[in-house]
Amino acid sequence: QSALTQPPSVSGPPGQSVTISCTGTSSDVGSYNRVSWYQQPPGTAPKLMIYDVTNRPSGVPDRFSGSKSGNTASLTISGLQAEDEADYYCGSYTGSSTFVIFGGGTKLTVL
Amino acid sequence: QVQLQESGPGLVEPSETLSLTCTVAGGSVSSAFYYWSWIRQPPGKGLEWLAYVYYLGSTDYNPSLKSRLTISVDTSKNQFSLNLRSVTAADSAVYYCAGWNLRDDTLDIWGQGTTVTVSS
Repeated sequence: QSALTQPPSVSGPPGQSVTISCTGTSSDVGSYNRVSWYQQPPGTAPKLMIYDVTNRPSGVPDRFSGSKSGNTASLTISGLQAEDEADYYCGSYTGSSTFVIFGGGTKLTVL
Repeated sequence: QVQLQESGPGLVEPSETLSLTCTVAGGSVSSAFYYWSWIRQPPGKGLEWLAYVYYLGSTDYNPSLKSRLTISVDTSKNQFSLNLRSVTAADSAVYYCAGWNLRDDTLDIWGQGTTVTVSS
């Protein structure tokens, strides 16, 4: 199963919004509402930011939101802050032999 | 709050077996709600799911690595482990242990990661 497709990088000034896309197939993203987003600042472990496409774990700011249309999921970060600068990975349950697959990651730069 | 801690050698010689252990603190590896997983991240690259184990012993593996992987759980020690055989330089990576929450179908607990380098 191939990795999910994410843009290598996105950027925006403080206070603006950015959206990161995550494109899969009808076998993963398109079939299940089991898409998660993880934030990974340099040198640290991934942290769960969104699960089940739209849900935020306790403690994650509501500036982070998720959505899905067809085979593409998206993460939107509104009101960008310097602390949001990190790599972001999407992940999807596949229901197949590769239990979960990830995107290649997107580097967010806050200008 | 459940915390995970990886342990193992930082350096492994080519063709040898990499052995890693993850200790579960503040919770139980016998939880009915988690698949205990290993994920790795080569330098400068993305995440790759390797395997999971359930406390009752059921397992699943990434097909691309299945022939070289073994994952196991030790409920008496509150740990789970990963063995990767016949390693090469391509297996050099940060290895994370993580918990897949069966209620939300997501990886919501992560260890801090351990760096493994394959080199002679």
